[in-house]
Amino acid sequence: TQLLEQSPQFLSIQEGENLTVYCNSSSVFSSLQWYRQEPGEGPVLLVTVVTGGEVKKLKRLTFQFGDARKDSSLHITAAQPGDTGLYLCAGVTNFGNEKLTFGTGTRLTIIP
Amino acid sequence: ETGVTQTPRHLVMGMTNKKSLKCEQHLGHNAMYWYKQSAKKPLELMFVYSLEERVENNSVPSRFSPECPNSSHLFLHLHTLQPEDSALYLCASSQGTGTGENTGELFFGEGSRLTVL
Repeated sequence: TQLLEQSPQFLSIQEGENLTVYCNSSSVFSSLQWYRQEPGEGPVLLVTVVTGGEVKKLKRLTFQFGDARKDSSLHITAAQPGDTGLYLCAGVTNFGNEKLTFGTGTRLTIIP
Repeated sequence: ETGVTQTPRHLVMGMTNKKSLKCEQHLGHNAMYWYKQSAKKPLELMFVYSLEERVENNSVPSRFSPECPNSSHLFLHLHTLQPEDSALYLCASSQGTGTGENTGELFFGEGSRLTVL
């Protein structure tokens, strides 16, 4: 069973600060997705990274896939209250039967 | 608005009740999913339907019974649930078939918050 550990589990910071969220596993993934879930909503896809070492930027959010495709990070610059939510990574394995495994989640609160 | 609609949004039921959760997707997708989201646990996949056929059942207790009458609708029938079944139940759909093809992005509904008394 693949396990995706996210850290930190909870993070509360002031508006304007920077932060990094980590997603780690001992398993190799063919791709990795990041979702954000706001209170009272379902998760919404932010980005998919596919290539080892890949970096993708989405405005103030920077996503990186580890070289070995076992881990990923999400860096947010100048956090805003609208960034508040539950961030979920999800690893995709495709060894004849594709599976999507969700991480443990990071609950982020940005204080105005 | 993600194109996936779940009803009801909130449900409170006793352990002897029978109720159903409904999901409808307006995206023309081929696969639909039920996930369970509990506090302090990762999202747990319960069932996958591809082109109206169940392709995965992750050791879910029989008190949860899925039904997929067509590619746009998915139900989760609930009976004799336990208090530990209280959770947010999320429906999702994807363009891929979820069976070894490229599943791609999951589109989630807003969830049904279930409380079992």
